[in-house]
Amino acid sequence: DVKVTQSSRYLVKRTGEKVFLECVQDMDHENMFWYRQDPGLGLRLIYFSYDVKMKEKGDIPEGYSVSREKKERFSLILESASTNQTSMYLCASTSPGLASRGAYEQYFGPGTRLTVT
Amino acid sequence: GDSVTQMEGPVTLSEEAFLTINCTYTATGYPSLFWYVQYPGEGLQLLLKATKADDKGSNKGFEATYRKETTSFHLEKGSVQVSDSAVYFCALSARGAGNQFYFGTGTSLTVIP
Repeated sequence: DVKVTQSSRYLVKRTGEKVFLECVQDMDHENMFWYRQDPGLGLRLIYFSYDVKMKEKGDIPEGYSVSREKKERFSLILESASTNQTSMYLCASTSPGLASRGAYEQYFGPGTRLTVT
Repeated sequence: GDSVTQMEGPVTLSEEAFLTINCTYTATGYPSLFWYVQYPGEGLQLLLKATKADDKGSNKGFEATYRKETTSFHLEKGSVQVSDSAVYFCALSARGAGNQFYFGTGTSLTVIP
């Protein structure tokens, strides 16, 4: 059974703090993703990674950075947290799709609800 | 670019009613299509998927058919239960895109007894 875990379910931080959100998957997946989820906006991709030490910007990377030092772990970093980064953060992982078989599903963690005050 | 447009909610139904949640997509090539469900306080779980035109995905009484001609992937269930109350997301992944997904905005469903 695939498992994606996130370091915290709830987090409260102050404006200007550096925040680390950790995600670990146990299925040896190559691809990992960070999304934020906001009411009425659905899921928006922040960053993703195809392999260790590789990263690609998603749709809303501003104010965020990521780190992938090991295949199973993908960290999201808020360098200086701001109130507009209050949100639900979701991590996901998957294997690369195959042209002949289509895409594999993404597996999601339970989410971290971050509040920045 | 690739995108998904999903029926806005919230949707409120009585138990045993018929459910349809509309989803249309825009994509280059031949995407795979997915429905995810999110129960309160949890992450997203795959509900069903279809990887090519005319495929029908099904799970837990839910169904969706990949219609290339109408670029649609509508979710249906013949008789909803209170336990189906959740937020439903339509998503696509274009082949060869490293499995990057594009999600709709989600449709909140509440089923009342």
